[in-house]
Amino acid sequence: GQNIDQPTEMTATEGAIVQINCTYQTSGFNGLFWYQQHAGEAPTFLSYNVLDGLEEKGRFSSFLSRSKGYSYLLLKELQMKDSASYLCAERPGANNLFFGTGTRLTVIP
Amino acid sequence: DVKVTQSSRYLVKRTGEKVFLECVQDMDHENMFWYRQDPGLGLRLIYFSYDVKMKEKGDIPEGYSVSREKKERFSLILESASTNQTSMYLCASSLAAGGAYGYTFGSGTRLTVV
Repeated sequence: GQNIDQPTEMTATEGAIVQINCTYQTSGFNGLFWYQQHAGEAPTFLSYNVLDGLEEKGRFSSFLSRSKGYSYLLLKELQMKDSASYLCAERPGANNLFFGTGTRLTVIP
Repeated sequence: DVKVTQSSRYLVKRTGEKVFLECVQDMDHENMFWYRQDPGLGLRLIYFSYDVKMKEKGDIPEGYSVSREKKERFSLILESASTNQTSMYLCASSLAAGGAYGYTFGSGTRLTVV
């Protein structure tokens, strides 16, 4: 079966750096995704990793270690608008995504 | 701008009613999905479809059915709504064989069953 673990809540200060961790155990692996979801809105795509290493995209970076079943999302220079839930999702096969329960990040002044 | 459109943002229905949630995508995606999202439980897959007239059960299909008569439209049907089906329903679509962008989500339908 599939299992994805990520912290339920995190708080960080505006301007700081925060790392949101995700561990996964699935029957296959075909990509690891991060989505951002503001309250009451749909998730939006942030990043995709299929090979080990760091993918950087502006203030956001995502890291993957397939051997450890581990990923993290790194957010730099935090802004108030970054307050949202961050969903880790793994694609075990060709199409479906399996989601974690999400990490609610609160950015404080 | 590519879109997944869900017909209603908010719905209130009575217990026992038959409820239709509509989803349309304009990206010519092969795959379409229906999820529900509940606090503490995350996104759970109800049904999905890889092609017209094709459907597969997800993790929690009980009490639901789906219809995909056209490639761009995927409907979720609650045969007899119950209060435990009060939830946020999210439709998503994707290209066949995944790709680097995963899903595109609709804006969601918050359904309340009273």
